[in-house]
Amino acid sequence: DVKVTQSSRYLVKRTGEKVFLECVQDMDHENMFWYRQDPGLGLRLIYFSYDVKMKEKGDIPEGYSVSREKKERFSLILESASTNQTSMYLCASSLVGTGFYEQYFGPGTRLTVT
Amino acid sequence: QQPVQSPQAVILREGEDAVINCSSSKALYSVHWYRQKHGEAPVFLMILLKGGEQKGHDKISASFNEKKQQSSLYLTASQLSYSGTYFCGTVSGSARQLTFGSGTQLTVLP
Repeated sequence: DVKVTQSSRYLVKRTGEKVFLECVQDMDHENMFWYRQDPGLGLRLIYFSYDVKMKEKGDIPEGYSVSREKKERFSLILESASTNQTSMYLCASSLVGTGFYEQYFGPGTRLTVT
Repeated sequence: QQPVQSPQAVILREGEDAVINCSSSKALYSVHWYRQKHGEAPVFLMILLKGGEQKGHDKISASFNEKKQQSSLYLTASQLSYSGTYFCGTVSGSARQLTFGSGTQLTVLP
């Protein structure tokens, strides 16, 4: 059974903290993605990676960075968390060829920055 | 730029039909449809490729009009289980990313 897991379902952090969100997939997928989901805005792409150590900016990369040291793991880093980064964060993975293949999503991490 | 979905929300009774539209200002390579139930992850429904045929499974089908850069999702004889938020995602040109619309909230009442 296909699986994408995320390290936490809920997370509360303080302004200015460094935050790590972890995502692991067990499908040997080349592509991995980080989205944030806000009411009325849908899912917006932060960063994606199409191979180990490779990354590309999505539509809203400001304030975020990513790391992919192993194929199965993709981390999202908030260098200095701010209240406007309070959101639901979703990780996804897919086979290479974004246009052709479905994305599998993790359960999400609801991050609150106070 | 995000594709535009319409309507933003729709409420219908079991057994009724619904259509959700997705349009883009860019030339599209493919359109993806996902459904997300409350508190759950989005789940893939189908992909429509440029030059492909209309797709469907069970009572959910979709079409892709390449000339108008539009896609429509058709839900016939709605069931309670169809409730959720439906997202279209588009891939244009050589882009490697999927750009999602803001979603359509569908509520099916008994």
